[in-house]
Amino acid sequence: GENVEQHPSTLSVQEGDSAVIKCTYSDSASNYFPWYKQELGKGPQLIIDIRSNVGEKKDQRIAVTLNKTAKHFSLHITETQPEDSAVYFCAAVTGFQKLVFGTGTRLLVSP
Amino acid sequence: EAGVAQSPRYKIIEKRQSVAFWCNPISGHATLYWYQQILGQGPKLLIQFQNNGVVDDSQLPKDRFSAERLKGVDSTLKIQPAKLEDSAVYLCASSSQLSGANVLTFGAGSRLTVL
Repeated sequence: GENVEQHPSTLSVQEGDSAVIKCTYSDSASNYFPWYKQELGKGPQLIIDIRSNVGEKKDQRIAVTLNKTAKHFSLHITETQPEDSAVYFCAAVTGFQKLVFGTGTRLLVSP
Repeated sequence: EAGVAQSPRYKIIEKRQSVAFWCNPISGHATLYWYQQILGQGPKLLIQFQNNGVVDDSQLPKDRFSAERLKGVDSTLKIQPAKLEDSAVYLCASSSQLSGANVLTFGAGSRLTVL
């Protein structure tokens, strides 16, 4: 089945710096790649997504890139703020329409 | 729009006891999911419903877990008997064709501790 690997597992940055989280997937039929942010005590919240016919997508300080050939995708957060501190999960929808999550990255933004 | 409602938020039980979790999805969302999230891991799909039918329950431990969505709206997930390794957060999510079949909205989760 699909396997989604995510790294790093933890990431500490200073406020204002950029943060990059990377994921790889195994199923070449995967066609949809969402990113979720999970704050303490809450469920995951969709923050941005990208489909396989697009290489990059931006939404204010957040961007995602997708390299289908290499089967990896990344989340980029610029000008980080303390409220960006959370656990971030990448995910991929497989050819069988199943959503598989990565293992998560704990992002800590220090003021 | 109201979000996905789950209850209880927290539950502590002894091993071999039973527990039930309830979920009410966003109004009009035909697809409902139950995920298990063990501490430090990503959510893992347990079961997916389309209206009141099961689409995927391949990762549901059917010897102890059961779930139903009888009227195609709210859903109940039951564990009987519970094991220590069932300690996790149980997340309910829903989606609709209108918002995107794979665009999931999650509830806050139900945290289960098995002693």
